[in-house]
Amino acid sequence: GESVGLHLPTLSVQEGDNSIINCAYSNSASDYFIWYKQESGKGPQFIIDIRSNMDKRQGQRVTVLLNKTVKHLSLQIAATQPGDSAVYFCAENSGPAREGAGGTSYGKLTFGQGTILTVHP
Amino acid sequence: DAGITQSPRYKITETGRQVTLMCHQTWSHSYMFWYRQDLGHGLRLIYYSAAADITDKGEVPDGYVVSRSKTENFPLTLESATRSQTSVYFCASRDRRDTGELFFGEGSRLTVL
Repeated sequence: GESVGLHLPTLSVQEGDNSIINCAYSNSASDYFIWYKQESGKGPQFIIDIRSNMDKRQGQRVTVLLNKTVKHLSLQIAATQPGDSAVYFCAENSGPAREGAGGTSYGKLTFGQGTILTVHP
Repeated sequence: DAGITQSPRYKITETGRQVTLMCHQTWSHSYMFWYRQDLGHGLRLIYYSAAADITDKGEVPDGYVVSRSKTENFPLTLESATRSQTSVYFCASRDRRDTGELFFGEGSRLTVL
């Protein structure tokens, strides 16, 4: 089946370093990708997204890179802080929502396994 | 406060009992979802709903029932709980736009003994 996976399940960095979290996807039809952050005991929180017609998007201290040739997604966090310690999930949207006669399907969002990021002071 | 809330946050029950997890959102989002999160499996979709009275199965629907009589509520019921349903359950919602961004609740940790 189609899935989204991560190369590294854990990542430890020093405060102030840059972090790179990687994600591989297998569905070439996916048109939208999202990164979520999940802190202990909480629900996932949206970080940044990117559409398949882009290869880079920047936010505040975060950058997402998309390489469609090799079906690879990465999240870069600049100047990592202890508060960035969390589990990071990538997710792919493998098709547009379809609504019509009897149709109520949504854009299917498939999550990866997650990477644990630990930031040491 | 506006947002998406789940209750209970923690629940312990016994095999065979019926359990209902509640989810309430104040954004009037059309789409609502239930996921379960387990080590080694990430987030897996149980059921989703595109609007009131419209629900559909996700990846792992067996053993679960949902309803959506009102837009703001999306309860998840385990009709006869099994140990394999021990998990953390997350409710999520989004608006009608064709994007995948979901807003998640804080989760409900369910233990089935």
